[in-house]
Amino acid sequence: ETGVTQTPRHLVMGMTNKKSLKCEQHLGHNAMYWYKQSAKKPLELMFVYNFKEQTENNSVPSRFSPECPNSSHLFLHLHTLQPEDSALYLCASSQESSGGYNEQFFGPGTRLTVL
Amino acid sequence: GQNIDQPTEMTATEGAIVQINCTYQTSGFNGLFWYQQHAGEAPTFLSYNVLDGLEEKGRFSSFLSRSKGYSYLLLKELQMKDSASYLCAVVDSNYQLIWGAGTKLIIKP
Repeated sequence: ETGVTQTPRHLVMGMTNKKSLKCEQHLGHNAMYWYKQSAKKPLELMFVYNFKEQTENNSVPSRFSPECPNSSHLFLHLHTLQPEDSALYLCASSQESSGGYNEQFFGPGTRLTVL
Repeated sequence: GQNIDQPTEMTATEGAIVQINCTYQTSGFNGLFWYQQHAGEAPTFLSYNVLDGLEEKGRFSSFLSRSKGYSYLLLKELQMKDSASYLCAVVDSNYQLIWGAGTKLIIKP
């Protein structure tokens, strides 16, 4: 596997379910990100991890819970979601989380639908 | 507040040239990225500008004017595969990426 992978690619869940999204990067990067992408809206940064430490949490509701066990893996645990949480969830990685030229490499995303 | 503006949608003809504009108001500036995103796929890196001027890379070029808070992406010799969304993103003074909503480019034969 190369680049950034995400599983599952599609997820349908009820509001009372608990599920997890998984991201893995094979690029040797030290920073990983979760983004939410909704139609016709800018990418919304949710969480940033740099060297396994969470450095950003942009006022994300507690029903989203990130986990970064090592620099290569990132999870997003979901529980009691709302229909407005339906979106494409993108994972990205970069060498570090600071610095001007900090190209981010994205995974293909998980298309989440909350019923 | 911080703001990135780009057109929502543009249409162009195969073989032609199209320019996608991006204007920004951010707290500081540490570079500007352009990404391409095909429907249902990951965004992929196209260009990075931190100094004023034009950077050319094959059929794609990116221009930056820091004094005007303005950038554009120029696509030449358009191909059907160029149909995608193009995302503009600015690195602010805290090295956070501020994203535009993206421009959906439709290429017609």
